[in-house]
Amino acid sequence: SQTIHQWPATLVQPVGSPLSLECTVEGTSNPNLYWYRQAAGRGLQLLFYSVGIGQISSEVPQNLSASRPQDRQFILSSKKLLLSDSGFYLCAWKTGWTTEAFFGQGTRLTVV
Amino acid sequence: AQTVTQSQPEMSVQEAETVTLSCTYDTSESDYYLFWYKQPPSRQMILVIRQEAYKQQNATENRFSVNFQKAAKSFSLKISDSQLGDAAMYFCAKGGGADGLTFGKGTHLIIQP
Repeated sequence: SQTIHQWPATLVQPVGSPLSLECTVEGTSNPNLYWYRQAAGRGLQLLFYSVGIGQISSEVPQNLSASRPQDRQFILSSKKLLLSDSGFYLCAWKTGWTTEAFFGQGTRLTVV
Repeated sequence: AQTVTQSQPEMSVQEAETVTLSCTYDTSESDYYLFWYKQPPSRQMILVIRQEAYKQQNATENRFSVNFQKAAKSFSLKISDSQLGDAAMYFCAKGGGADGLTFGKGTHLIIQP
């Protein structure tokens, strides 16, 4: 069966510090991978998606970047965090023959 | 840009009663999928039900059913015999392609015992 792992679960970082959130998927090949952010009281905002290794599409210009160094690994990064980067970050995957997305357990990021 | 609108920020229902959550969307596509996700306090996103736009029959999953009105671009979720465990944020979403799902802002469902 397919599983998705996302870590860390909680992170508190000072303003200006770097960020690296990692997501890996098991049990499937060539998944489409997604990073979403959920701000308080708002829905899920798509940040990045990837349809293959090294292929990244950005939906929202911002302080964040994403990379996909391996088929089932998706990384969300920042060189210098801003207060506005605080939120709940969710990684998700889907394959071409599935229509719904499957989500990781999320990372709560607080920038102080 | 595609939009998904949930006009009810919060809904409350008595345990064992029925509640309907509303969702409308905007699209120029003829083939797409619609979803309802549940996000309990753990914040894990859980798929509740999905509907293919080309199917006229409304999807049903146990106590959960949808009313899909394609011409009106409406996709409501009905929860029958509400249970305390149904308390959560509910998100309506539209998708179908590689570029992920577009979500509404969510409806907070409260179950009164």
